[in-house]
Amino acid sequence: QVQLQESGPGLVKPSQTLSLTCTVSGVSISSGNYYWSWIRHHPGKGLEWIGNIYYSGSTYYNPSLKSRVSMSVDTSKKQFSLRLSSVTAADTAVYYCARDRLTVVDYWGQGTLVTVSS
Amino acid sequence: QSALTQPASVSGSPGQSITISCTGTSSDVGGNDYVSWYQQQPGKAPKLIIYEVSNRPSGVSNRFSGSKSGNTASLTISGLQAEDEADYFCSSYTSSSSHHIIFGGGTKLTVL
Repeated sequence: QVQLQESGPGLVKPSQTLSLTCTVSGVSISSGNYYWSWIRHHPGKGLEWIGNIYYSGSTYYNPSLKSRVSMSVDTSKKQFSLRLSSVTAADTAVYYCARDRLTVVDYWGQGTLVTVSS
Repeated sequence: QSALTQPASVSGSPGQSITISCTGTSSDVGGNDYVSWYQQQPGKAPKLIIYEVSNRPSGVSNRFSGSKSGNTASLTISGLQAEDEADYFCSSYTSSSSHHIIFGGGTKLTVL
């Protein structure tokens, strides 16, 4: 079955860059039917869509984060990645990777907590 | 503050039915049929239980149903079971230029 798994540091210092990787199994990351998204959940608040990437490398980012976000995909490793620069405490959240059909996000990873603190 | 508004909590007894609302605007919930619902158990990945307002993915119990009226979508769970206790959140495609998919704040369902 389709599975996604986030990996990366759980603690990032303020002003540094948050880097996460998502490993996909059970489906081809090169399938033209899907995009691959990052979504985060701030403690006590709702979910926020960060952006998505197509297997070709084309991206679409949430405009509120666009200046600090970059995403990449490595189809040979079945992975896609997120980089968020100049982080602050406001970026502390559970980060999810997910499969995105543009009108519905249908499979999610379990999520990984990233804390921004010195 | 979440883009879509959900009640923070709902509760019901086993066997009863409950409904969770998800209120947005004409740019999202009211403007398309791409409303989804998710169930999330503690420590687990969110699970899609309803898509396109009222469709169930394969394997999802028919005790879960979805509907929409105007800018408000609803999730109904009938015949409540203890295993239904979880967080539920909605999402909607949005035509706003600032987002792609937006989410509700989530509702904690307690089975009494």
